[in-house]
Amino acid sequence: KAGVTQTPRYLIKTRGQQVTLSCSPISGHRSVSWYQQTPGQGLQFLFEYFSETQRNKGNFPGRFSGRQFSNSRSEMNVSTLELGDSALYLCASSLGQPRETQYFGPGTRLLVL
Amino acid sequence: AQSVSQHNHHVILSEAASLELGCNYSYGGTVNLFWYVQYPGQHLQLLLKYFSGDPLVKGIKGFEAEFIKSKFSFNLRKPSVQWSDTAEYFCAVSTGATNKLIFGTGTLLAVQP
Repeated sequence: KAGVTQTPRYLIKTRGQQVTLSCSPISGHRSVSWYQQTPGQGLQFLFEYFSETQRNKGNFPGRFSGRQFSNSRSEMNVSTLELGDSALYLCASSLGQPRETQYFGPGTRLLVL
Repeated sequence: AQSVSQHNHHVILSEAASLELGCNYSYGGTVNLFWYVQYPGQHLQLLLKYFSGDPLVKGIKGFEAEFIKSKFSFNLRKPSVQWSDTAEYFCAVSTGATNKLIFGTGTLLAVQP
């Protein structure tokens, strides 16, 4: 079974731009969660989508948004990029029930200049 | 708000030494506990998890963890480490019926041959 894939793997943007990251979950998985990983803040939960609906949300500003498509693929969008948005963005997929193991992708490394 | 503390940020051991990594969480209700590992250049992957039952949980690659409710702890152990255990280890918690993972800051383990 193919694992979680994320595209692109690396991205360089400038302040004020917007960016869209993509995540394809493991086949059959209906839940996709997004996390931001930075050296200072560690791994922080952004949001979770299940069956095309946002089910949980972390404490990030409204510039961070996401969506999920009917095939469970998910996209994350960050508008008006700030230098502090530079991070590794990870997505994780699971079957969707609580306590299910979440499988992580390789991440998208975003650098904001 | 829930939080997870990992007290050891960097640990250096020689091969065959025993390992114990501390993890404490703050939450008064039912928790689901996880240890994830990130080997150099690889994805985050699950080592083990605890939901209920026997508080001593065995995971992959000879790792185990013990849930001590009275101490709000879930320490990771391995009797004899190998050079291949060099990685970053993350403790994580989810609560109730949610998939939202709250991660500790991670412990970087270096095993010297």
